[in-house]
Amino acid sequence: DQQVKQNSPSLSVQEGRISILNCDYTNSMFDYFLWYKKYPAEGPTFLISISSIKDKNEDGRFTVFLNKSAKHLSLHIVPSQPGDSAVYFCALAGSARQLTFGSGTQLTVLP
Amino acid sequence: NAGVTQTPKFRILKIGQSMTLQCAQDMNHNYMYWYRQDPGMGLKLIYYSVGAGITDKGEVPNGYNVSRSTTEDFPLRLELAAPSQTSVYFCASRTTTASNEKLFFGSGTQLSVL
Repeated sequence: DQQVKQNSPSLSVQEGRISILNCDYTNSMFDYFLWYKKYPAEGPTFLISISSIKDKNEDGRFTVFLNKSAKHLSLHIVPSQPGDSAVYFCALAGSARQLTFGSGTQLTVLP
Repeated sequence: NAGVTQTPKFRILKIGQSMTLQCAQDMNHNYMYWYRQDPGMGLKLIYYSVGAGITDKGEVPNGYNVSRSTTEDFPLRLELAAPSQTSVYFCASRTTTASNEKLFFGSGTQLSVL
């Protein structure tokens, strides 16, 4: 029973266009939401986060949107760059303050 | 500032062998974690620690043990390796600041049990 789902295992986008990565969850007790980026042979690195009291957080080219009623989280990257090619994980924290991770989406930005 | 350091990077074990995956952090973080990542899956929590001398089980603790004798070190022990433990293992740490769930990860240990 997956509490956090990233239904797209992969996504290809042209350089300069927008990349949209999605994450759905089932447990309404999650109250803090993060995105991590992972390059091959490296550990995940923190990208951006949002708390449940907000519906949008922006950091440069990266924006995270939270729709609590739909239990849906998304990450927008504009404009996409080849260096953004990586696996992106959403991670959600609940009352136990542990992170539950999605299965990841491989983003490929084509030059 | 090295952050979170994991050793070894790669290891091949035979069924029934034992080993310890090392993890050290130099950020004075109280919270430390061990995750495993299987192909096509998200990271699953094995064990975690909220400070020296305190450890607790995560989602998938069977077959593993941990200890936390110092703030810096959090080794993960596999006593009787099984093929199901073939995975990539990540150690992570974070501060105790409230509502700050940002984890810092090591570069991982690729373990194969044959």
